[in-house]
Amino acid sequence: EAGVVQSPRYKIIEKKQPVAFWCNPISGHNTLYWYLQNLGQGPELLIRYENEEAVDDSQLPKDRFSAERLKGVDSTLKIQPAELGDSAVYLCASSSPGHRVNEQFFGPGTRLTVL
Amino acid sequence: GENVEQHPSTLSVQEGDSAVIKCTYSDSASNYFPWYKQELGKRPQLIIDIRSNVGEKKDQRIAVTLNKTAKHFSLHITETQPEDSAVYFCAASSGGSNYKLTFGKGTLLTVNP
Repeated sequence: EAGVVQSPRYKIIEKKQPVAFWCNPISGHNTLYWYLQNLGQGPELLIRYENEEAVDDSQLPKDRFSAERLKGVDSTLKIQPAELGDSAVYLCASSSPGHRVNEQFFGPGTRLTVL
Repeated sequence: GENVEQHPSTLSVQEGDSAVIKCTYSDSASNYFPWYKQELGKRPQLIIDIRSNVGEKKDQRIAVTLNKTAKHFSLHITETQPEDSAVYFCAASSGGSNYKLTFGKGTLLTVNP
């Protein structure tokens, strides 16, 4: 099966600019996650979707971050405006209740550099 | 919320030796403990997981042990090979849900040929 797809793989922007990341989960996976991974750290959950509903966004900095998952498939994560501290890898993952009991499959990530 | 501590942060072993990575967690309600391997510049990939109703699980050269009383779990890799070199992350589910994973900070394992 095709894995989780993310684009772009790399993005360099200047601070205060907007940026968006896109994720296509594994076909049939109704749960989608966005994680932030800082250098030398483990992934930290930003938001979790069940189909098109955001069921856990408690860790999402809502003043500048937003996300959507229209139609319950693809998802976009947006930052506006970006700050220097947002430089990190943004990982998308998906899972399905019927597949190995919620094993999360990760995408390759988008490495964001804010100058 | 859940807090996961992982040790050591770096580990260097000779090829053929064993490697052990340990994690502790804080939430007694956690019941799912996966281990992910992440090679440089690549995605995290699940290598083994364990649920709270099991004390040990083994898959070829890797094994995981869980001590619920002490709230710690460990990854054991035997007969290490250079391709085992990567960053390993432990994680624990929190809030009684398998969906919300809290990750440790990772262990950089280097297997020297």
